[in-house]
Amino acid sequence: AQTVTQSQPEMSVQEAETVTLSCTYDTSESDYYLFWYKQPPSRQMILVIRQEAYKQQNATENRFSVNFQKAAKSFSLKISDSQLGDAAMYFCAYRSPSSGSARQLTFGSGTQLTVLP
Amino acid sequence: DGGITQSPKYLFRKEGQNVTLSCEQNLNHDAMYWYRQDPGQGLRLIYYSQIVNDFQKGDIAEGYSVSREKKESFPLTVTSAQKNPTAFYLCASSMGRGRNQPQHFGDGTRLSIL
Repeated sequence: AQTVTQSQPEMSVQEAETVTLSCTYDTSESDYYLFWYKQPPSRQMILVIRQEAYKQQNATENRFSVNFQKAAKSFSLKISDSQLGDAAMYFCAYRSPSSGSARQLTFGSGTQLTVLP
Repeated sequence: DGGITQSPKYLFRKEGQNVTLSCEQNLNHDAMYWYRQDPGQGLRLIYYSQIVNDFQKGDIAEGYSVSREKKESFPLTVTSAQKNPTAFYLCASSMGRGRNQPQHFGDGTRLSIL
């Protein structure tokens, strides 16, 4: 079974600065998908960024980028120019490509990000 | 606008009572999911459904039941057998096809014990 570990329960960053959230995972599969979701105080889960394991290029979405290290099974999220609205719980998630699993997500325990003005 | 609607936003359960959480989507997604979130923890999968009239148990299905009679709807019943139901429940959906289709989430239902 796949596991996802987020070793930083809490992080803080100064507004306009850069912060990196860590995520590691354990899998025996060679093809899979990785996601970062954001959960603000409203509790809605919002997709931030996604990465296919077969792609070597790191995904980027505006101020959000990932550092995907497949051999190390590491998938960190970098937030540049942090804004107050970035404050939220961030979850790393893994998804198997196997049809039998219905593409279910395995989540890490989350990192609570605080943005300081 | 397309999306996922969960209702109610807050729900209270009495001892020995079954309660049903609603999840409706108008995204034309084939697959739907129910997750449970406890404080300080990530999401855990309760049940999922890939197509109408079919569903599978997730990691923590005991004490829960679901149905999938329509593509748009995937209600979750928390039965009296679930001894610790207090949690935040999230419904999600995704396209059935496509290698990299993400899951879209509703706004959640918070269930508490009276």
